[in-house]
Parts: sequence; C-alpha cells; structure tokens
Amino acid sequence: EAGVTQFPSHSVIEKGQTVTLRCDPISGHDNLYWYRRVMGKEIKFLLHFVKESKQDESGMPNNRFLAERTGGTYSTLKVQPAELEDSGVYFCASSQQGQGLEQYFGPGTRLTVT
Amino acid sequence: AQSVAQPEDQVNVAEGNPLTVKCTYSVSGNPYLFWYVQYPNRGLQFLLKYITGDNLVKGSYGFEAEFNKSQTSFHLKKPSALVSDSALYFCAVRPSSSGSARQLTFGSGTQLTVLP
Repeated sequence: EAGVTQFPSHSVIEKGQTVTLRCDPISGHDNLYWYRRVMGKEIKFLLHFVKESKQDESGMPNNRFLAERTGGTYSTLKVQPAELEDSGVYFCASSQQGQGLEQYFGPGTRLTVT
Repeated sequence: AQSVAQPEDQVNVAEGNPLTVKCTYSVSGNPYLFWYVQYPNRGLQFLLKYITGDNLVKGSYGFEAEFNKSQTSFHLKKPSALVSDSALYFCAVRPSSSGSARQLTFGSGTQLTVLP
C-alpha cells in the first residue's frame, strides 16, 4: 500500500511569489490534514478535510493560505503571496474514518521563502 | 485547549541502556495519545498509541509507553537502546470525545541520540 506522498519535497521561492504544495493521501482515507513545523518548533495544525469538505480550518494562519481537495482525493495548499515567516516544513497526513485512528504522515515539503 | 510538553529537547543514552523520552499533556476529558518518530529526511512515522484499556502500550521497534492519568504523562520507553533509534520523537494528543476536533496537538519534539 502506498503511503502519503507530497510534492515537491523542497521549494525555494522569493517573498511575494506563489507556491502550491500537493498531497496525495492513502487511497480510501477520507480524512486529510495539513500541519506545519516552523523553525524547529512544534508541529501545528492547519486544517482538516473530510472527503472534499473543510471540516476545520481553525489553524490556517491568514487568508494568504488556500487549501483545496477537489473530488476528495488529493489536496493542494497554496500560499499567495509568500512571506518570510511562511518558511517551514509542511506535512500532510491522512486517516480512515473512526475514532482514535492514527494519522499517517507524508515526508513533508520544506518551504524556504527568501 | 489541549497542549503537550516534552521537557527535554535532547536525550543522550548509551547503546544497550534503557531510554525514556518524557511527555506530559493537558486535554479536556479523556485523551488519545500518540508517539511519532522522524528519522532524518523522512516524514513522521507512527510508533504507538493509547486509546483505552491497558496503561502500558507496546509499539513498533520494541518501544512502549505508559499512560499515567494521575500524572497526565505518556512517557516513551525502550529497555535497550540501539544506535538506529537516534531520531526526533514527537508526542501528540487529541481529545477522545466524539464531537471533538480530530487534529493532533504535538509537543516540540525530543532529539534522541544513542551513543555507540
């Protein structure tokens, strides 16, 4: 079974540019999460999809971040325009429906904004 | 709101010795608790979880963790450390109530180094 995949693995962009991150969850996983780890600090929640619907986007830092999950399969996270403080590692995770089930994480996308 | 504390940024242990990585949490109601490990240049890998039942939970690679409700702790342990256990370890929590949000709240991570 393929795991969660993320693309790209690294991205270096200039302040003011746009970047789009992609996440492909494990097949059949309705739940999809985005998290971010900034500057070696704790991993923080951004948002949660159930199929194609945004269940919780309370962790999104501001309106420069836009997440979509068209068709309930893969998801994209767009940052537009990027700022220096957006640098960090963006993780995607997926899980099946049900209580107490672990989330499976992708390898992350390391975003550097210069 | 829930929170997780990993009081040690760095833990060093000699190969063959027992290891402990500490985690305490704060959450409304009963918790679901998780440990994840991140090896260099890799994503987070699930190690083990506590949902309910036996307070001692066994996971991958010989790791185990003990849930202590009175101390709100979920320390990760292994009887005999290997050099290959060297990695970054994250503790995470979420409330167990059915109406609660599903996202995990993570600690800041503990870098474990096992010395040969």
